[in-house]
Amino acid sequence: QVHLVESGGGVVQPGRSLSLSCVASGFIFNNYAFHWVRQAPGKGLEWLAVISYDGGHKYFADSVKGRFTISRDNSNDTLYLQMNSLRTEDTAVYYCARGRYPTILSALDFWGQGTLVIVSS
Amino acid sequence: IQMTQSPSSLSASVGDRVTITCQATQDISNYLHWYQHKPGKAPNLLISDASNLETGVPSRFSGSGSGTEFTLTISSLQPEDIATYYCQQYDNIPYTFGPGTKLEIK
Repeated sequence: QVHLVESGGGVVQPGRSLSLSCVASGFIFNNYAFHWVRQAPGKGLEWLAVISYDGGHKYFADSVKGRFTISRDNSNDTLYLQMNSLRTEDTAVYYCARGRYPTILSALDFWGQGTLVIVSS
Repeated sequence: IQMTQSPSSLSASVGDRVTITCQATQDISNYLHWYQHKPGKAPNLLISDASNLETGVPSRFSGSGSGTEFTLTISSLQPEDIATYYCQQYDNIPYTFGPGTKLEIK
């Protein structure tokens, strides 16, 4: 059974950093690409970033490019999102999601339950 | 690539046929997925590549379209279908979601 569990959310001041993790289980982690998607309060889904199965390809939305980094540890079945220079508009529930294929072009077929990040002074 | 959806919200009765439309600002072939999102839950992939129903998704859901115009249809609305529905294009990075269609029971 596929499981994705995000953690690391919390309250952080503007300008500070936060790191999110997503631990996967129930499948062969390094066979799949992974994505981060967020939902701000009262808003829709916003795609943020993708990383290929081997970490060799990474792409970001313009809204987070240069501030957020996506990485993965295939030996520990864990996906990460390093968020720097946080802004109040980064307040959202952050989801990790599995891509259907090893490469970046695919549907997001399984999602975690999300972790809430609040950026506030 | 920008995605639009219509309507933004929809109220329908149990048993009604419901159609949601998604438009892309440029040709995306069939590189479009549909997701269902219920409050407090993880989003759920319903339809991939515009028309492929995911395993386990009820057959009352269907998708169609290509190019710039796509539709999600629920043939007979059920109470458990109450959710917000999003289309997403993956023809170009950044992948973009539509703004969502909130579906309610009348």
